[in-house]
Amino acid sequence: SQTIHQWPATLVQPVGSPLSLECTVEGTSNPNLYWYRQAAGRGLQLLFYSVGIGQISSEVPQNLSASRPQDRQFILSSKKLLLSDSGFYLCAWSGTGPSYLKQYFGPGTRLTVT
Amino acid sequence: GQNIDQPTEMTATEGAIVQINCTYQTSGFNGLFWYQQHAGEAPTFLSYNVLDGLEEKGRFSSFLSRSKGYSYLLLKELQMKDSASYLCAVSNNSGSARQLTFGSGTQLTVLP
Repeated sequence: SQTIHQWPATLVQPVGSPLSLECTVEGTSNPNLYWYRQAAGRGLQLLFYSVGIGQISSEVPQNLSASRPQDRQFILSSKKLLLSDSGFYLCAWSGTGPSYLKQYFGPGTRLTVT
Repeated sequence: GQNIDQPTEMTATEGAIVQINCTYQTSGFNGLFWYQQHAGEAPTFLSYNVLDGLEEKGRFSSFLSRSKGYSYLLLKELQMKDSASYLCAVSNNSGSARQLTFGSGTQLTVLP
């Protein structure tokens, strides 16, 4: 069966510091991968998605970036965090078969920028 | 662009039935999803509708009317553990068919 991992689970970082969040998927190959952010009490905002190694699409202009160095690894980064970057970051994957639209979420990383 | 509307909050009693509505505006509709999200946790998939009609899965059912841009999630025999946020999400063909756009969620509180 497929599983998705994210780490760290929680993170407290000062403004201006760098960020690296990691997401890995097991039990599937060539997944579509997504990064979402959820601000407190709000819906999910799609940040990036990837359909393959090295292929990244950005949905929202910001000081964040994403990379996919391996088929089942997706990384979210920032060189300098802003207060507004605080939130719940969720990684998700979907397959490439008939149910490719269905997305499965990882446990998330709660980021607090101080 | 896309616009998804759902009520912010709802309250219901244990054992009752509750219907959570979702309206959307989009072009190139490709499917509608419902997710459940407990506080502090990741969303989990509940249902998927691509054709008009009712999809039933145990205590949960989801309905879709594409001509009206309308869906609802029906929860029967409510239990305390059903207290959660319910997210409506729409997939369309503009840009990439792999994207979902989420509503802000409906926070359901089940009272004893």
